[in-house]
Parts: sequence; C-alpha cells; structure tokens
Amino acid sequence: GENVEQHPSTLSVQEGDSAVIKCTYSDSASNYFPWYKQELGKRPQLIIDIRSNVGEKKDQRIAVTLNKTAKHFSLHITETQPEDSAVYFCAASESGGSYIPTFGRGTSLIVHP
Amino acid sequence: DAGITQSPRYKITETGRQVTLMCHQTWSHSYMFWYRQDLGHGLRLIYYSAAADITDKGEVPDGYVVSRSKTENFPLTLESATRSQTSVYFCASSDPGDADYSNQPQHFGDGTRLSIL
Repeated sequence: GENVEQHPSTLSVQEGDSAVIKCTYSDSASNYFPWYKQELGKRPQLIIDIRSNVGEKKDQRIAVTLNKTAKHFSLHITETQPEDSAVYFCAASESGGSYIPTFGRGTSLIVHP
Repeated sequence: DAGITQSPRYKITETGRQVTLMCHQTWSHSYMFWYRQDLGHGLRLIYYSAAADITDKGEVPDGYVVSRSKTENFPLTLESATRSQTSVYFCASSDPGDADYSNQPQHFGDGTRLSIL
C-alpha cells in the first residue's frame, strides 16, 4: 500500500519568513495530493491540492509543487503570519484505484511574531 | 463545513461501556471515513465506507464496529470501551468523482473528544 512520509514534524519560523513542508510517497499510481490545515482544537480543512498532471499550483501566499519522478511534493508558505500557526497534513491517493487517501503524520508550524 | 456533523462533541464514559459516535452528512457523498487522532500519530483510519451497506477496515479497526444503512449516516460504535480508545475522533466524507484525475478532498466534521475512564 501507499506510504507517505512528512518532514519536518515541527517547524518554527519568524513572522515574514517562508516555510516549506515536504512529503514523499511510495506508490507511483497516486495522482491526487491534498494539503490540510488543522488549527488547535479544530477540524482539518483543505488549503490546496494538486493533481499529477500539474507540476505547481499557487493560491496567494501558498503553493504546492509536485515532482512525480522523485515522488515528492511540497507545501510552500511565503510571508508567514501568526495565523498560519497550525498542524499541516499532506495526503496522497489514487483515482481509479483504492481511492483511500494516505496521510502524512503532520507538521506543527509555529510562526513567532 | 456545516454539511457534515458529528455528535456528541464531547463524551466521557467508563471502561467496558458501549459508546456510539454519530456522523451525518448532507452532500450525498459516497465515501465516508472514521479517523482517530492521537498526539504523535496524526490521523489514523479506523473504518471507511464506499457506499451504503459497504464498509471496510482501515489501519486500526480493532475494538470498533461501523454500519452504513443510509448514505448520509455512518455511526461508529465502541462495543466495550477501553482506555486506549481515549482520543479525538473525526468523521469525513468525500466524493471520488467518476473519471480519472477527479479525486476530491475530504470534508471533516468538528470531531468528538472521547475520554474513557
């Protein structure tokens, strides 16, 4: 089955810096890669996703890149703000296959004012 | 998302008791999932359902039972609760779509914080 590794487990940055979270996956058939943000005590919520026919996707201060050959994808947050502090989860799944997403273990991002 | 609701939000019970956590979604999504979230373990899949009357085990199914008689409901039952089942439980739903490259994200409920004494 699919295995998703996520690094780092904790990331501490100063406000205004950039943050990068990386995930690797094992199943080359995976073709959908969402990222979820979970604030303390809240539900995980989708912030951005990417499909395997696209190499990069941006939405304001966040972007996701995908390298299918190396089987890794990354979340980039620029100009971080204290409200970006949360746990971020990556996931991988395959349409047309088992479909069930496999999650990384999460990255706790702390943005210091 | 208001379209998926979990109840209760908080529950305290004792070991050996039966507990049922409810999940209801209004989107008619075909897939529904139950996760538990513990510090250091992220989201671990307990059970999932691809459609009404179709359920399957996830990563950590032992001690849990699910059913899905209607598309919109997916209750999770702990038949004889143990302290190791103290956790935050999230229900989620999604629609896989009907063509390649059409996977859709999961929508999570607010969670149930379950404490077993």
